[in-house]
Amino acid sequence: GAGVSQTPSNKVTEKGKYVELRCDPISGHTALYWYRQSLGQGPEFLIYFQGTGAADDSGLPNDRFFAVRPEGSVSTLKIQRTERGDSAVYLCASSPGRAPYNEQFFGPGTRLTVL
Amino acid sequence: RKEVEQDPGPFNVPEGATVAFNCTYSNSASQSFFWYRQDCRKEPKLLMSVYSSGNEDGRFTAQLNRASQYISLLIRDSKLSDSATYLCVVNRPGNTPLVFGKGTRLSVIA
Repeated sequence: GAGVSQTPSNKVTEKGKYVELRCDPISGHTALYWYRQSLGQGPEFLIYFQGTGAADDSGLPNDRFFAVRPEGSVSTLKIQRTERGDSAVYLCASSPGRAPYNEQFFGPGTRLTVL
Repeated sequence: RKEVEQDPGPFNVPEGATVAFNCTYSNSASQSFFWYRQDCRKEPKLLMSVYSSGNEDGRFTAQLNRASQYISLLIRDSKLSDSATYLCVVNRPGNTPLVFGKGTRLSVIA
């Protein structure tokens, strides 16, 4: 079946602009995660949804970052007033239930470049 | 001390060699441990979970040492296709997020 998909695959924006990154999880997966991965680093947790609600947003670096999952399926990560330091690959993952007891399946990521 | 630490490598080994990676974690209350594999410019994929008793999957063996707080991954009879970055992953106790190490890069050379 279809895996996790993310759009766009690449996004180039200018400092100060607003961006939205989309994640389509595997159908039926209740848990959805956002991570950020910089070059040479492992994925860094941002936020976790169980259904429609954000169960843990402790990884969001500041209030410029926000994510929603209004219908418990597709999620959007929103970044306001982008900064050059936001440049990274943003990974989305889903799992059939609560981690860590369930394997997380990752999407291909969105490569964000802030000029 | 970082939550999860790995030697970044790279480990350059010939085909057929045996190679081992270690990973240390700082929180003694962690209970779930995994190895993920990540190919260049691709997403991470679960390689194997790590159980207290140790576990094996074909050429791959994972071990957990709770007393010393480290996890190991052993790859026997290395193949060219094993070339990738191997990420050590630990759960944060009482919470959902998984904590990823920086990864260890492996290059298997013909």
